Parts: sequence; C-alpha cells; structure tokens
Amino acid sequence: DGGITQSPKYLFRKEGQNVTLSCEQNLNHDAMYWYRQDPGQGLRLIYYSQIVNDFQKGDIAEGYSVSREKKESFPLTVTSAQKNPTAFYLCASRKGTEAFFGQGTRLTVV
Amino acid sequence: GESVGLHLPTLSVQEGDNSIINCAYSNSASDYFIWYKQESGKGPQFIIDIRSNMDKRQGQRVTVLLNKTVKHLSLQIAATQPGDSAVYFCAENLPPSKIIFGSGTRLSIRP
Repeated sequence: DGGITQSPKYLFRKEGQNVTLSCEQNLNHDAMYWYRQDPGQGLRLIYYSQIVNDFQKGDIAEGYSVSREKKESFPLTVTSAQKNPTAFYLCASRKGTEAFFGQGTRLTVV
Repeated sequence: GESVGLHLPTLSVQEGDNSIINCAYSNSASDYFIWYKQESGKGPQFIIDIRSNMDKRQGQRVTVLLNKTVKHLSLQIAATQPGDSAVYFCAENLPPSKIIFGSGTRLSIRP
C-alpha cells in the first residue's frame, strides 16, 4: 500500500544523545515536512523540504537537523542541543493542497 | 509573526446537532487553508481545503467558510456523530510550501 511510514512508534533516549527519526514515503511526493506536537498543543513546523537536496527551516528548527538525499526519505535528527526534546514527532508529505501524515514517533528523553 | 489560532479550545455538541469550529489567521499571503482531524495518538487526517480566492467550499457533511476581510476560517460539521470526536486543526499554506498549523479545538459529542 502507498503511504508514509514513521519508525519507530516509541523511542527512548538518554539525555545528551542524538537520535534520528525515520520518515519514508512511497507516494512520489516532492514536499515533505516534520512537525513537533506537545501534549494538548498544536503542530509546530521544524523543517520542510520542497524537493530532493533542498530543505528549509521551520519555526522551531534549533536543535534539529534534516537531510533529503532521496525523494522517499526525510530523516530528522534530534540533537543534544535541543533543550526539551520529549514530544510527539509527525512527518508528512504533500501532493497539491493535501498533506498526508505518518502515525508519528513518540520520543522520550530521560 | 506568522500564526494561525483558534477562538475556542474545546467544544461540546449534542449528537445530531451541527458543530462550528472557528479559526483566525494572521498572514494575508496564505494561498490556501486546510482543516485536519486528529484522533488520539494518530497523525492528522485531511478533511477539506479552501483556496484564498474562494469563500465557501462544501464536502461530505462539512462546509468551510473563509472570510478574508476579518481573516477568519470556520468548519461546519452537519449532524455531528460520535465518530466526529477528535481535535480539529486549521492550517494555512504560505507560498510556496510552508504549512503552518493552529493550536486546535477538541470536539466532544454528548449522547
């Protein structure tokens, strides 16, 4: 089935460690996005990519990094510089006006 | 800065009644607006969108209204059902591709 896959669903890391969240899509979409969602809050844009080998910072990019070496993949690295990394992370790809979301990765840093 | 916000954080509606969820936006450059539904622990699902050159668009049991004069967006859900219980987000697209979300409204349905 076509779709967007985030893995893993739950992730635990020790404070000070970098961690990479996976996002893969087989929808042939050019644009991809990463959002962060805190409990009871909306989605805040971390990074987005309109096309392979190109990406732009969103509103809360500090402490995060991304790459877009392949159309299908848009991994997000949460670095040790991110002050409060525990959150629900959502990846999306877009066709036209519709964004398709993965099921999210819940990251807990202890 | 750029922002999309909502008037009501929670909304309780009697089953069978119509629901109206409101949203204010601040960026006049946005070229389209989208409503999403998010169920607990899941990613948001697209409901309906509307381009900035339109003022109304209808889908199945949903209608979105756009008032650019006051920068206001609303989602109307007809004959609200238990399955409509979720958090609803409005979002705006800043050209070419930056999609910004609002803070969300939780819709709960009374039997």
